Amino acid sequence: TQLLEQSPQFLSIQEGENLTVYCNSSSVFSSLQWYRQEPGEGPVLLVTVVTGGEVKKLKRLTFQFGDARKDSSLHITAAQPGDTGLYLCAGGGFQKLVFGTGTRLLVSP
Amino acid sequence: DAGVTQSPTHLIKTRGQHVTLRCSPISGHKSVSWYQQVLGQGPQFIFQYYEKEERGRGNFPDRFSARQFPNYSSELNVNALLLGDSALYLCASSHWATGKMNTEAFFGQGTRLTVV
Repeated sequence: TQLLEQSPQFLSIQEGENLTVYCNSSSVFSSLQWYRQEPGEGPVLLVTVVTGGEVKKLKRLTFQFGDARKDSSLHITAAQPGDTGLYLCAGGGFQKLVFGTGTRLLVSP
Repeated sequence: DAGVTQSPTHLIKTRGQHVTLRCSPISGHKSVSWYQQVLGQGPQFIFQYYEKEERGRGNFPDRFSARQFPNYSSELNVNALLLGDSALYLCASSHWATGKMNTEAFFGQGTRLTVV
């Protein structure tokens, strides 16, 4: 069974701070996705990483896929209150996603 | 274009009852997947349907069943509800075909089920 562990589980920071969220597994994934979910909504895809060592940037968000394709990280620079939400990593194919445990981020003004 | 729509948005049921949740995929999407998200956790895969056939099943008891209709909409049924079935049930649709490149799955807003 493929499992994805995320850390930290909860993060409360002030606007302007930087943060990193980690997603780790003992299994190799052909690709990993990162989603953001807001209360009362379904997850929304932020990025897909496919190649080991790959780095992708989405404005202030930087995503990295580990060389061995077993882990990934999400770094947010100068966090804003609009970044508040539940961040989920997932893998295993879009139709049968294995989701991580989630990181709940709260950014205060 | 309409996204993935789920109904109802909220539901309260009593233990032992049965529930049916509905999902309409994005137009043109033939694959529908269902997920259960318990409060404070990530979603867990329940079923995938494609072209009206079950293509994948997660680790859920037989009380959970689903089906897909000719118009690609889908229903998730849960019998003999338990308190632990209280969760957000998410439906995701995608354009998928065996042997071909898979595309992103789009999620609906979910159905919040509370079992009392």
